[in-house]
Order: sequence, then C-alpha cells, then structure tokens
Amino acid sequence: DVKVTQSSRYLVKRTGEKVFLECVQDMDHENMFWYRQDPGLGLRLIYFSYDVKMKEKGDIPEGYSVSREKKERFSLILESASTNQTSMYLCASSSRGTGLSITDTQYFGPGTRLTVL
Amino acid sequence: GESVGLHLPTLSVQEGDNSIINCAYSNSASDYFIWYKQESGKGPQFIIDIRSNMDKRQGQRVTVLLNKTVKHLSLQIAATQPGDSAVYFCAENSHLGGNGGSQGNLIFGKGTKLSVKP
Repeated sequence: DVKVTQSSRYLVKRTGEKVFLECVQDMDHENMFWYRQDPGLGLRLIYFSYDVKMKEKGDIPEGYSVSREKKERFSLILESASTNQTSMYLCASSSRGTGLSITDTQYFGPGTRLTVL
Repeated sequence: GESVGLHLPTLSVQEGDNSIINCAYSNSASDYFIWYKQESGKGPQFIIDIRSNMDKRQGQRVTVLLNKTVKHLSLQIAATQPGDSAVYFCAENSHLGGNGGSQGNLIFGKGTKLSVKP
C-alpha cells in the first residue's frame, strides 16, 4: 500500500513564526502536492512538484514556499505564519501519468491541522 | 475557469439503502476522474476512478457512472452502511505545468456530506 506520512497531526504556532510541514512518501512517486482544506472551500492546491528540485505554483501559493531536495520528501514552508494560514494541510503524491493526458491517482497523507495564534 | 462542482452538499440516507452522489464538471477535455472519501479528521481516501473511454466502472459496493454528453459523474453506493458516513469528493484531472505534459494535478469539488441513519 502507498503510504504518505506527514510530520505532525496537530501544530500550534504564533504569528510571525517560520513553520515547516514535512511530507514523506514511500512509493517512489514523481509527483507531490500540498493542499490546504478549509470549510466551504474544499481542497486548494498550494504548490506541487513533479521532480526533485522542481516546483510549480498552484492556485494559492502566496505566503508559502516549498522544497523538494529528495524524491520522497516534500516540505511546505510558511516563512512568517499568519492567522489566515490556520487550516488543514494535506500532502499527496502520485506517479507520473502514462500518457500526455492521463493522471494517476493521488494518495493523501492524514493531514496536519495548523493553528496560528 | 474550469471547475468541478456538486449538485447536493448534504445527503442523508437510511442504512441499507442505496446512495447516489452527483458531480458536474465543466472541462470537456478532462479524461480522468476520481472519487475520494474523507472521514472526519482524516485525509481523503481513494475510492474509485474512471477514465473517459469508459461509461461505468464497478468496485465492491460502489459504481461510478460517467456521462460525457452532459459532463456528469455519479457515485453509487449499494447497501449504504454507517461506516460510509463521510464527505465524498469528485476530482478531475487538469493540465497545469510548464512542460506540456500532465503533471498529475487534480481539481476537486467541494464535497458532499453523506450521513447514514441506522
């Protein structure tokens, strides 16, 4: 079974702190993703990576950065946490599609609930 | 922009009944769709997928139907059980990324909450 793990289930930080959220997958997937999930807004893509050291902005990248130094690990960084970044953060991974328009299933981690005070 | 949406935000069914959760998508070029289940406090869990060259796909107690003519996707759960209570999301592939190929991105609907009454 695919396993995607996230470093923390619950995290409480103060405004202005630098926050690191770590995600590790054990299936040698090329693609990794960070989403945030808020009530009424569904899943929104923050950043994704399709290879080591490669990253692309998703729908809401402002206030976030990412790092992909190793294939299995994808980190989300909040440079200076703000209260509007209080949310559930979900990491996912998938293998590269087998064709130009085929997308393989994304597998999700359990989520990190971040509260910024 | 392209979007994926759901007809019903909440659905309440009796244990043992069949459930049908609907989803409309707007990108006619989408060729891959997934249904996810998310229980309270957990990450989304893959249920079933379907590619656009199919109209129907069945799992153990679930069936996904795809109607490309009206851009509609549905998830049918047979003999719904209390353990099926969750939020269900549909998702379609998108084609973000700068190198011309699929990067595995999905666009998610906001979800339908399924409540099963014993």
